[in-house]
Amino acid sequence: DAGVIQSPRHEVTEMGQEVTLRCKPISGHNSLFWYRQTMMRGLELLIYFNNNVPIDDSGMPEDRFSAKMPNASFSTLKIQPSEPRDSAVYFCASSTTGMKETQYFGPGTRLLVL
Amino acid sequence: TQLLEQSPQFLSIQEGENLTVYCNSSSVFSSLQWYRQEPGEGPVLLVTVVTGGEVKKLKRLTFQFGDARKDSSLHITAAQPGDTGLYLCAGVNFGNEKLTFGTGTRLTIIP
Repeated sequence: DAGVIQSPRHEVTEMGQEVTLRCKPISGHNSLFWYRQTMMRGLELLIYFNNNVPIDDSGMPEDRFSAKMPNASFSTLKIQPSEPRDSAVYFCASSTTGMKETQYFGPGTRLLVL
Repeated sequence: TQLLEQSPQFLSIQEGENLTVYCNSSSVFSSLQWYRQEPGEGPVLLVTVVTGGEVKKLKRLTFQFGDARKDSSLHITAAQPGDTGLYLCAGVNFGNEKLTFGTGTRLTIIP
């Protein structure tokens, strides 16, 4: 069974550039989550979609971050413009329905903003 | 903001030894999850404990949820190199059911 797929796995960019991270959730899962992991702050929830609709984006750090889910099999997290402090590992996770059900995490995208 | 503190932050022990890691908070959670994360991968759910005082066993791993549902522990018996990884606890908040992740314990088992 294919798990959550994320791309790219690694991204190095310069400050000010636009970054787009991509996620394909597990087929049949209705909920999708974007997390950010850093040494200083650990693993933090950025945004949560249910049935392609954003339910909670209170964790999105600022307007430079945006996320979309145009269909049940694809989501993007965009940072524009990127800053060095955005450097982190970004994870996408999916679950059958809701926050409390088992969340299956993708392998992550390691982002470095120079 | 609810915080989950894990201790120790780092632990390195010999294969065959026993160990316990702790997850503590001043807040009450509806349930608590434990994950293991290996380098270059996402966290993988190991167990969910729901009831205060609940104990769950997963082979050599024993998980306990505190009576007051504010803390939890993970005990590993006869640790093996395959147990190496970052162990994360995550509290499930009442109401919105969001996960609050702990600070993590990085465990290394030396062969």
